[in-house]
Amino acid sequence: QVTLRESGPALVKPTATLTLTCAFSGFSLSTTGMSVSWIRQPPGKALEWLARIDWDDDKYYRPSLRTRLTISKDTSKNRVVLKMTNMDPIDTGTYFCARTPGIAAREERAFDVWGQGTMVTVSS
Amino acid sequence: DIQMTQSPSSLSASVGDRVTITCRASQSISTYLNWYQQKPGRAPNLLIYSASNLQSGVPSRFRASGSGTDFTLTITSLQPEDFATYYCQQSYTTPWTFGQGAKVDI
Repeated sequence: QVTLRESGPALVKPTATLTLTCAFSGFSLSTTGMSVSWIRQPPGKALEWLARIDWDDDKYYRPSLRTRLTISKDTSKNRVVLKMTNMDPIDTGTYFCARTPGIAAREERAFDVWGQGTMVTVSS
Repeated sequence: DIQMTQSPSSLSASVGDRVTITCRASQSISTYLNWYQQKPGRAPNLLIYSASNLQSGVPSRFRASGSGTDFTLTITSLQPEDFATYYCQQSYTTPWTFGQGAKVDI
């Protein structure tokens, strides 16, 4: 069974750095084609893709947030970490991690399993 | 970035209704288009991948089609558990982008 679970602080202060961890099981991020992304959702608003890390350690970021984001993986511990610097109240929302089982295959390039999400509030 | 535009943004329907949601991409994305259902307080759930393929476990009343820039999601007979928000998402090129959502309520 494939599962993902996000963890991190519920409250961060403006200008702080947010560190979120996605712990997963049921698959390996060293499997060819495998990928994990971070997606966020401000309260009452749409989903927004943030970043992606692939099995071969390739990384992709939302251009508008590129300077603030860092994604990394620890394959041995089955974890993906997202760091976001200089947090602002506009970054408040639920942060999800999700798996894409096959980056190279059109029929597998979707988020097939999601974590439950973690709510992050940015406030002083 | 590829912009994804859904219509309508919201609609009211009744159980048993046929409901259609459209998604338009700002440039051609072939069939790199996925559909998700999200209920309040829950993570999204993959319904359709690669424009028209039903994800395992998803009821057959969900149907989808399209290619290039225009896509549709149809629920052939709306059930009580289908009242939710539906998102399209392109995976043609990064940054992957979502539509703004289409809320289906009673």
